[in-house]
Amino acid sequence: DTAVSQTPKYLVTQMGNDKSIKCEQNLGHDTMYWYKQDSKKFLKIMFSYNNKELIINETVPNRFSPKSPDKAHLNLHINSLELGDSAVYFCASSQGRAGYGYTFGSGTRLTVV
Amino acid sequence: GQQLNQSPQSMFIQEGEDVSMNCTSSSIFNTWLWYKQDPGEGPVLLIALYKAGELTSNGRLTAQFGITRKDSFLNISASIPSDVGIYFCANAGGTSYGKLTFGQGTILTVHP
Repeated sequence: DTAVSQTPKYLVTQMGNDKSIKCEQNLGHDTMYWYKQDSKKFLKIMFSYNNKELIINETVPNRFSPKSPDKAHLNLHINSLELGDSAVYFCASSQGRAGYGYTFGSGTRLTVV
Repeated sequence: GQQLNQSPQSMFIQEGEDVSMNCTSSSIFNTWLWYKQDPGEGPVLLIALYKAGELTSNGRLTAQFGITRKDSFLNISASIPSDVGIYFCANAGGTSYGKLTFGQGTILTVHP
């Protein structure tokens, strides 16, 4: 069983469209995250939810809206996609303190054309 | 915000060689983590360090938490082709439910 699963793996879409990425974890963790990895491979946090409550919201355009229906799921919806949104988006989860490390999903490669 | 400076940015080595990479910060931390990212996959935790001076091994990998608590080192001995990937240092700053901040990554290429 995959611990942190993201769908879809690849997403190609046109500018201006709205798209969603889904994430589910079966580890029983209480905290979930979205990270963005740019073309230079730099990993930057976007959002974090603890028990369905938003606890970290970095400087991210409000076109990006996370939603956590329960503590095992954290979805990412993106409105009005722009070329600069092209990147790999990673979902991750942890139990309690982030210092014990995250478990990452395998990523969603988003390409906006 | 805090920044982690990881070096080198990339390494090209022959199979069997040893590898060393490091990460430094201007801030003091309670935790250092090392991750590896294989192509097309998410990062996977290799080693976690929680105490200044701590030296921890995981197979051919050895990592150390610097005495100043501002740096960490990762060494890979006798590299093999499957060591190829991107290695990231990370730390959490000791906050509960806090974010992990990652270094820029070291891209490792191993020639057979």
